[in-house]
Amino acid sequence: EAQVTQNPRYLITVTGKKLTVTCSQNMNHEYMSWYRQDPGLGLRQIYYSMNVEVTDKGDVPEGYKVSRKEKRNFPLILESPSPNQTSLYFCASSPWGNTDTQYFGPGTRLTVL
Amino acid sequence: RKEVEQDPGPFNVPEGATVAFNCTYSNSASQSFFWYRQDCRKEPKLLMSVYSSGNEDGRFTAQLNRASQYISLLIRDSKLSDSATYLCVVNGNSGYALNFGKGTSLLVTP
Repeated sequence: EAQVTQNPRYLITVTGKKLTVTCSQNMNHEYMSWYRQDPGLGLRQIYYSMNVEVTDKGDVPEGYKVSRKEKRNFPLILESPSPNQTSLYFCASSPWGNTDTQYFGPGTRLTVL
Repeated sequence: RKEVEQDPGPFNVPEGATVAFNCTYSNSASQSFFWYRQDCRKEPKLLMSVYSSGNEDGRFTAQLNRASQYISLLIRDSKLSDSATYLCVVNGNSGYALNFGKGTSLLVTP
């Protein structure tokens, strides 16, 4: 089954404790992206990647890192999480960039205390 | 001005009603337009792409007005299962970014 998977689905952590949210897709898509969704603010893009080893900042990259060492994986790293990073995070992939359908993962609900 | 703007609603309509949502975008160079549907706490899913000539998929019709920079979504014969948030999405200024509207909430009641 074609899908985007994220892990963990739910995470409660404390300020400053490094964490990684994994994202994997099995559709051989070139483009992958991370979003956060907050009430009243909608979906905002954090980082995106056009291909292996090619990443770029979205609208709200501060406090986040990403890597794209393999085509299928695009982990989101929070080196020192803070409470303002409490949010619902979605990973997405598409065959090619922003002109194609985005396929979203199920979401990761992160709480930083 | 925000890149993509939508009326947040909520739109409360009875079953069988016709409802229309509009969305405006600021980047005149945008080339790709979409409507996504998002159920509560779930991931967004593509409802339909929006083409210049307008397009229809069953009870759903999407239209694009480039001159006025707005996109519309019309839902005919609303069903209870249409209750969701509808996100307007436009490709953005920089590179390959996508801009999402904040969504319009629809509640279809019996």
